[in-house]
Amino acid sequence: GQQLNQSPQSMFIQEGEDVSMNCTSSSIFNTWLWYKQEPGEGPVLLIALYKAGELTSNGRLTAQFGITRKDSFLNISASIPSDVGIYFCAGLDNNAGNMLTFGGGTRLMVKP
Amino acid sequence: EAGVVQSPRYKIIEKKQPVAFWCNPISGHNTLYWYRQNLGQGPELLIRYENEEAVDDSQLPKDRFSAERLKGVDSTLKIQPAELGDSAVYLCASSFTASGNTIYFGEGSWLTVV
Repeated sequence: GQQLNQSPQSMFIQEGEDVSMNCTSSSIFNTWLWYKQEPGEGPVLLIALYKAGELTSNGRLTAQFGITRKDSFLNISASIPSDVGIYFCAGLDNNAGNMLTFGGGTRLMVKP
Repeated sequence: EAGVVQSPRYKIIEKKQPVAFWCNPISGHNTLYWYRQNLGQGPELLIRYENEEAVDDSQLPKDRFSAERLKGVDSTLKIQPAELGDSAVYLCASSFTASGNTIYFGEGSWLTVV
């Protein structure tokens, strides 16, 4: 089946630093979604990407849909303590019945 | 607008007992998903509904898990009997297929089997 490799698995950074994480897939996706999950909560959608090459921003977050349709990255600029959480990428394959596959997550910790 | 609503938020049961989770999707969303998330991992699909039809239940352990979405709106997920390994977060999500496949999650039902 489809697999998503998300890296890094965890990051411990200083407040104000920029963060970058990415996902790569063994197969093509039609849509890439990035979620953030905080302890005790469900995943919250951050950014949705629908076209290869698409670059989308949401405040300090920027994500891109890779040209090959097999990868995506998420950048967070000028991190703040409330950015702490687990970030998940997810790929949607319309040709597989709208199946959404998740990466393993990137755990972000921000030191004030 | 209300998001995806799930209940109960937390449940602790003894093994071999039954448990049920309920989900009300975002109004107008025709697609409903149940995911299971183990500690430290990403969510994994259990079942997906298009309206009242289960269109993908290949990952649902059918010996003990069942789900229904009788009127194509809210849904229940049942485990009977529960096993220790069923301890996880059960997430419900919904989307409106024609809107670009943006999928929204509920807060999850956190199950502990002891």
